[in-house]
Amino acid sequence: GAVVSQHPSWVICKSGTSVKIECRSLDFQATTMFWYRQFPKQSLMLMATSNEGSKATYEQGVEKDKFLINHASLTLSTLTVTSAHPEDSSFYICSAKIGTTYGYTFGSGTRLTVV
Amino acid sequence: DQQVKQNSPSLSVQEGRISILNCDYTNSMFDYFLWYKKYPAEGPTFLISISSIKDKNEDGRFTVFLNKSAKHLSLHIVPSQPGDSAVYFCAASASPGNTPLVFGKGTRLSVIA
Repeated sequence: GAVVSQHPSWVICKSGTSVKIECRSLDFQATTMFWYRQFPKQSLMLMATSNEGSKATYEQGVEKDKFLINHASLTLSTLTVTSAHPEDSSFYICSAKIGTTYGYTFGSGTRLTVV
Repeated sequence: DQQVKQNSPSLSVQEGRISILNCDYTNSMFDYFLWYKKYPAEGPTFLISISSIKDKNEDGRFTVFLNKSAKHLSLHIVPSQPGDSAVYFCAASASPGNTPLVFGKGTRLSVIA
């Protein structure tokens, strides 16, 4: 089946540094990738939608200059958390549509801890 | 405003009994609904889905019921097993296009042996 590989699975970084999270579609082409964030005991909240070859669309309240999304190819989308702060500590998950149907596949998530 | 609501943050059920997880939605444009199971620090795992043209979909121990007029759906797990213990998310989509899923806050199911 369609698989999205997400790396790293966890990362600890110092305040002020940047962290890049990668999501690769292994056996299909992901035209669109969705990035979610989940705080403890909360829902998965959509941060942005990225389309291959174009600028990402960010949800209200999500800083596009802080959360840089790049979707340069049909198999790779990246989320870079720039100048990370402790409040950015969260669980980040990518998701891709499978074909033109309602199928969605999710990465395994990245637990980011900013100290 | 939450478009997908799971009002029960937790549910405890004895092994072998039925687990019923509920979900309500407000957006009448949603026409496809999915249930995901999630463990801590892992991505969601797809369980079962239902299109708005149906009112029931069954897959093994999992059955999803949809009541469009009430904008309500439920996931039934029977018989419940300890391995079912996880957080269950209800999600909805408005069209088959490139639209993201909208998730509820999840319900933590604990199946007690």
